[in-house]
Amino acid sequence: DGGITQSPKYLFRKEGQNVTLSCEQNLNHDAMYWYRQDPGQGLRLIYYSQIVNDFQKGDIAEGYSVSREKKESFPLTVTSAQKNPTAFYLCASRQGRDEKLFFGSGTQLSVL
Amino acid sequence: QKEVEQDPGPLSVPEGAIVSLNCTYSNSAFQYFMWYRQYSRKGPELLMYTYSSGNKEDGRFTAQVDKSSKYISLFIRDSQPSDSATYLCAMSDVGGYNKLIFGAGTRLAVHP
Repeated sequence: DGGITQSPKYLFRKEGQNVTLSCEQNLNHDAMYWYRQDPGQGLRLIYYSQIVNDFQKGDIAEGYSVSREKKESFPLTVTSAQKNPTAFYLCASRQGRDEKLFFGSGTQLSVL
Repeated sequence: QKEVEQDPGPLSVPEGAIVSLNCTYSNSAFQYFMWYRQYSRKGPELLMYTYSSGNKEDGRFTAQVDKSSKYISLFIRDSQPSDSATYLCAMSDVGGYNKLIFGAGTRLAVHP
């Protein structure tokens, strides 16, 4: 089945720790995205990548980093500089000039 | 003022009711309008996609866009308990592939 796989489903971070969220897609989509979802707020864009080895900051990139070494993979690292990391993180992908986004099932990150 | 406003609800209706969900927006350049359904702790799934003004129907769902009023709606006929979810509107302008703006979502509960 084609789709977007996010792992882990739940993740806990200790103070001062970096954690990495995985996102893999087998849809052969060019563009991939990371969004953050907080209760009562719309999805906010963290980073996006339109092509391998290239990525752009979104609206709330501070405290996060990404890489895009393969078309299928777009991992997100939440660094210790992100002081309020508790949120639901969603990975998405899109093909070509199509505006439709397809989402993974999300990762809930919490702080210990 | 947010670019996209959406009443967070919750909206509680009996099974079989007609549900109306709405979003207003401020950017007259928006041309692409989407509705996503999100079950608790899952990724959003695309329900409806429309370009510019008009109506689009898909089974029990109808999406309506009124660009003159900057207002979009999603109607659900014969609502079912399985429709209980959060509904997110999203929109972008032409070429705004990486600038999809989401509403905060409306939580809907359909009770038997």
